[in-house]
Amino acid sequence: DAGVIQSPRHEVTEMGQEVTLRCKPISGHDYLFWYRQTMMRGLELLIYFNNNVPIDDSGMPEDRFSAKMPNASFSTLKIQPSEPRDSAVYFCASSPTPVTGVQNSPLHFGNGTRLTVT
Amino acid sequence: QKEVEQDPGPLSVPEGAIVSLNCTYSNSAFQYFMWYRQYSRKGPELLMYTYSSGNKEDGRFTAQVDKSSKYISLFIRDSQPSDSATYLCAMSGGATNKLIFGTGTLLAVQP
Repeated sequence: DAGVIQSPRHEVTEMGQEVTLRCKPISGHDYLFWYRQTMMRGLELLIYFNNNVPIDDSGMPEDRFSAKMPNASFSTLKIQPSEPRDSAVYFCASSPTPVTGVQNSPLHFGNGTRLTVT
Repeated sequence: QKEVEQDPGPLSVPEGAIVSLNCTYSNSAFQYFMWYRQYSRKGPELLMYTYSSGNKEDGRFTAQVDKSSKYISLFIRDSQPSDSATYLCAMSGGATNKLIFGTGTLLAVQP
Protein backbone atom coordinates (compact mmCIF):
# COMPACT_ATOMS: atom_id res chain seq x y z
CA ASP A 1 0.00 0.00 0.00
CA ALA A 2 1.55 3.28 -1.14
CA GLY A 3 -0.32 5.36 1.41
CA VAL A 4 -1.91 8.74 0.71
CA ILE A 5 -0.10 10.44 -2.15
CA GLN A 6 0.01 14.19 -2.47
CA SER A 7 1.47 16.33 -5.23
CA PRO A 8 3.36 18.51 -5.59
CA ARG A 9 5.56 18.29 -2.46
CA HIS A 10 6.48 21.95 -2.79
CA GLU A 11 4.78 24.79 -4.60
CA VAL A 12 6.06 28.35 -4.87
CA THR A 13 3.83 30.83 -6.62
CA GLU A 14 3.17 34.53 -6.87
CA MET A 15 0.25 36.28 -5.30
CA GLY A 16 -2.79 36.21 -7.54
CA GLN A 17 -1.92 32.93 -9.25
CA GLU A 18 -4.10 29.82 -9.16
CA VAL A 19 -2.80 26.89 -7.15
CA THR A 20 -4.03 23.31 -7.41
CA LEU A 21 -3.07 20.67 -4.87
CA ARG A 22 -3.71 17.02 -5.59
CA CYS A 23 -4.40 13.95 -3.49
CA LYS A 24 -4.80 10.24 -4.07
CA PRO A 25 -6.29 8.53 -1.01
CA ILE A 26 -5.70 4.95 0.05
CA SER A 27 -7.82 2.60 -2.00
CA GLY A 28 -11.00 1.60 -0.19
CA HIS A 29 -11.01 4.58 2.14
CA ASP A 30 -14.42 6.27 2.00
CA TYR A 31 -13.44 9.42 3.90
CA LEU A 32 -11.08 12.10 2.64
CA PHE A 33 -9.97 15.15 4.59
CA TRP A 34 -8.05 18.31 3.68
CA TYR A 35 -6.09 20.00 6.50
CA ARG A 36 -3.91 23.09 6.62
CA GLN A 37 -1.00 23.36 9.10
CA THR A 38 0.68 26.57 10.26
CA MET A 39 2.84 27.35 13.26
CA MET A 40 0.31 29.77 14.69
CA ARG A 41 -2.93 27.84 14.14
CA GLY A 42 -1.74 24.24 14.05
CA LEU A 43 -3.66 21.65 12.03
CA GLU A 44 -7.02 22.97 10.82
CA LEU A 45 -9.67 20.94 9.01
CA LEU A 46 -10.74 22.64 5.80
CA ILE A 47 -13.20 20.15 4.31
CA TYR A 48 -14.02 16.46 4.30
CA PHE A 49 -15.72 14.10 1.88
CA ASN A 50 -17.60 10.85 2.35
CA ASN A 51 -17.97 8.67 -0.74
CA ASN A 52 -16.85 11.60 -2.92
CA VAL A 53 -19.54 13.93 -1.52
CA PRO A 54 -18.48 17.04 0.46
CA ILE A 55 -19.93 16.73 3.94
CA ASP A 56 -18.53 19.66 5.88
CA ASP A 57 -16.73 22.62 4.32
CA SER A 58 -17.15 24.97 7.26
CA GLY A 59 -13.37 25.18 7.65
CA MET A 60 -12.75 26.55 4.16
CA PRO A 61 -11.44 30.05 4.87
CA GLU A 62 -13.19 31.89 2.03
CA ASP A 63 -14.52 31.62 -1.48
CA ARG A 64 -11.02 31.60 -2.92
CA PHE A 65 -10.74 28.00 -1.74
CA SER A 66 -12.56 25.14 -3.44
CA ALA A 67 -12.24 21.36 -3.26
CA LYS A 68 -13.48 18.58 -5.49
CA MET A 69 -13.51 14.82 -5.46
CA PRO A 70 -14.52 13.64 -8.93
CA ASN A 71 -13.95 9.98 -8.08
CA ALA A 72 -12.87 7.74 -5.22
CA SER A 73 -9.20 7.91 -6.09
CA PHE A 74 -8.61 11.63 -6.63
CA SER A 75 -9.24 14.97 -4.96
CA THR A 76 -8.09 18.53 -5.58
CA LEU A 77 -7.86 21.64 -3.44
CA LYS A 78 -7.74 24.84 -5.46
CA ILE A 79 -6.88 28.36 -4.35
CA GLN A 80 -7.72 31.16 -6.76
CA PRO A 81 -6.40 33.79 -6.42
CA SER A 82 -3.65 32.86 -3.98
CA GLU A 83 -2.44 35.27 -1.28
CA PRO A 84 0.71 35.29 0.90
CA ARG A 85 -1.38 34.38 3.98
CA ASP A 86 -2.25 31.09 2.29
CA SER A 87 1.35 29.95 2.79
CA ALA A 88 1.19 26.74 4.84
CA VAL A 89 1.55 22.98 4.62
CA TYR A 90 -1.59 21.38 3.21
CA PHE A 91 -2.29 17.78 4.17
CA CYS A 92 -4.67 15.29 2.69
CA ALA A 93 -5.78 12.36 4.85
CA SER A 94 -8.06 9.39 4.34
CA SER A 95 -9.85 6.88 6.54
CA PRO A 96 -11.89 3.72 5.86
CA THR A 97 -14.55 4.55 8.47
CA PRO A 98 -15.60 7.58 10.52
CA VAL A 99 -12.71 8.89 12.55
CA THR A 100 -14.79 8.95 15.71
CA GLY A 101 -16.96 6.41 17.45
CA VAL A 102 -16.40 2.81 18.36
CA GLN A 103 -15.24 1.95 14.85
CA ASN A 104 -12.50 4.53 15.28
CA SER A 105 -10.03 4.45 12.46
CA PRO A 106 -6.89 6.53 12.40
CA LEU A 107 -6.44 9.23 9.84
CA HIS A 108 -3.78 8.27 7.29
CA PHE A 109 -1.99 11.42 6.26
CA GLY A 110 0.03 12.14 3.16
CA ASN A 111 3.35 13.95 3.48
CA GLY A 112 1.80 17.28 2.60
CA THR A 113 2.30 20.05 0.08
CA ARG A 114 4.34 23.00 1.30
CA LEU A 115 2.85 26.09 -0.34
CA THR A 116 4.67 29.40 -0.45
CA VAL A 117 2.91 32.42 -1.94
CA THR A 118 5.16 35.42 -2.52
CA GLN B 1 -10.55 30.50 23.34
CA LYS B 2 -9.45 27.54 21.25
CA GLU B 3 -11.28 24.25 21.73
CA VAL B 4 -7.96 22.47 22.33
CA GLU B 5 -4.91 24.06 23.95
CA GLN B 6 -1.42 22.59 23.77
CA ASP B 7 1.91 24.07 24.80
CA PRO B 8 4.01 24.35 21.62
CA GLY B 9 7.32 23.88 23.44
CA PRO B 10 9.97 23.20 22.34
CA LEU B 11 10.71 20.65 25.01
CA SER B 12 14.28 19.36 25.25
CA VAL B 13 15.15 16.37 27.46
CA PRO B 14 18.12 14.02 27.86
CA GLU B 15 17.90 10.46 26.61
CA GLY B 16 16.24 8.19 29.16
CA ALA B 17 14.10 10.91 30.72
CA ILE B 18 10.37 10.62 31.33
CA VAL B 19 8.44 13.03 29.13
CA SER B 20 5.02 14.46 29.94
CA LEU B 21 2.95 16.11 27.21
CA ASN B 22 -0.43 17.67 27.91
CA CYS B 23 -3.53 19.17 26.36
CA THR B 24 -6.58 20.87 27.78
CA TYR B 25 -9.92 21.23 26.06
CA SER B 26 -13.17 23.08 26.53
CA ASN B 27 -15.79 20.94 24.75
CA SER B 28 -17.37 18.52 27.22
CA ALA B 29 -18.81 16.49 24.31
CA PHE B 30 -15.35 15.16 23.41
CA GLN B 31 -15.15 11.43 24.11
CA TYR B 32 -12.40 10.18 21.81
CA PHE B 33 -8.83 11.23 22.47
CA MET B 34 -5.80 10.58 20.35
CA TRP B 35 -2.12 11.37 20.17
CA TYR B 36 -0.45 11.72 16.80
CA ARG B 37 3.30 11.88 16.21
CA GLN B 38 4.70 13.96 13.36
CA TYR B 39 8.30 13.71 12.21
CA SER B 40 9.84 16.63 10.35
CA ARG B 41 8.44 17.07 6.82
CA LYS B 42 6.08 14.11 7.26
CA GLY B 43 2.38 13.72 7.90
CA PRO B 44 1.11 12.89 11.41
CA GLU B 45 0.71 9.24 12.40
CA LEU B 46 -1.60 7.85 15.08
CA LEU B 47 0.31 6.90 18.23
CA MET B 48 -2.35 6.32 20.89
CA TYR B 49 -6.14 6.23 21.07
CA THR B 50 -8.27 6.42 24.22
CA TYR B 51 -12.01 6.40 24.68
CA SER B 52 -13.47 8.43 27.56
CA SER B 53 -11.55 8.62 30.84
CA GLY B 54 -8.79 6.37 32.04
CA ASN B 55 -5.34 5.18 31.12
CA LYS B 56 -3.95 3.23 28.21
CA GLU B 57 -0.45 1.83 27.99
CA ASP B 58 1.49 0.72 24.92
CA GLY B 59 5.13 -0.08 25.47
CA ARG B 60 6.92 3.05 26.63
CA PHE B 61 3.85 5.21 26.01
CA THR B 62 0.95 5.89 28.40
CA ALA B 63 -2.07 8.02 27.57
CA GLN B 64 -4.26 9.44 30.33
CA VAL B 65 -7.62 11.17 30.10
CA ASP B 66 -9.25 13.12 32.92
CA LYS B 67 -12.63 14.23 31.60
CA SER B 68 -13.59 15.93 34.85
CA SER B 69 -10.65 18.32 34.42
CA LYS B 70 -10.79 18.32 30.60
CA TYR B 71 -7.13 17.35 30.57
CA ILE B 72 -5.22 14.68 28.67
CA SER B 73 -1.61 13.57 28.94
CA LEU B 74 0.92 11.46 27.11
CA PHE B 75 3.86 10.02 29.03
CA ILE B 76 6.96 8.64 27.35
CA ARG B 77 9.25 6.52 29.51
CA ASP B 78 12.93 5.94 28.75
CA SER B 79 12.80 8.52 25.97
CA GLN B 80 14.99 7.91 22.92
CA PRO B 81 16.43 10.27 20.29
CA SER B 82 14.09 8.58 17.81
CA ASP B 83 11.16 9.99 19.83
CA SER B 84 12.16 13.51 18.69
CA ALA B 85 9.12 14.77 16.83
CA THR B 86 6.06 16.96 17.19
CA TYR B 87 3.29 15.40 19.26
CA LEU B 88 -0.28 16.49 18.50
CA CYS B 89 -3.28 15.74 20.64
CA ALA B 90 -6.57 15.25 18.82
CA MET B 91 -10.11 14.74 20.00
CA SER B 92 -13.68 14.41 18.84
CA GLY B 93 -17.14 13.62 20.04
CA GLY B 94 -20.78 14.49 19.77
CA ALA B 95 -22.41 14.54 16.37
CA THR B 96 -19.29 15.47 14.47
CA ASN B 97 -16.95 13.33 12.42
CA LYS B 98 -14.20 15.89 12.80
CA LEU B 99 -10.95 15.55 14.68
CA ILE B 100 -9.85 18.74 16.42
CA PHE B 101 -6.09 18.96 16.81
CA GLY B 102 -3.90 20.83 19.25
CA THR B 103 -1.10 22.93 17.78
CA GLY B 104 1.49 20.30 18.72
CA THR B 105 4.47 20.15 21.09
CA LEU B 106 7.94 19.88 19.58
CA LEU B 107 10.04 17.36 21.53
CA ALA B 108 13.80 16.95 21.21
CA VAL B 109 15.50 14.04 23.00
CA GLN B 110 19.22 14.69 23.32
CA PRO B 111 21.58 11.67 23.12
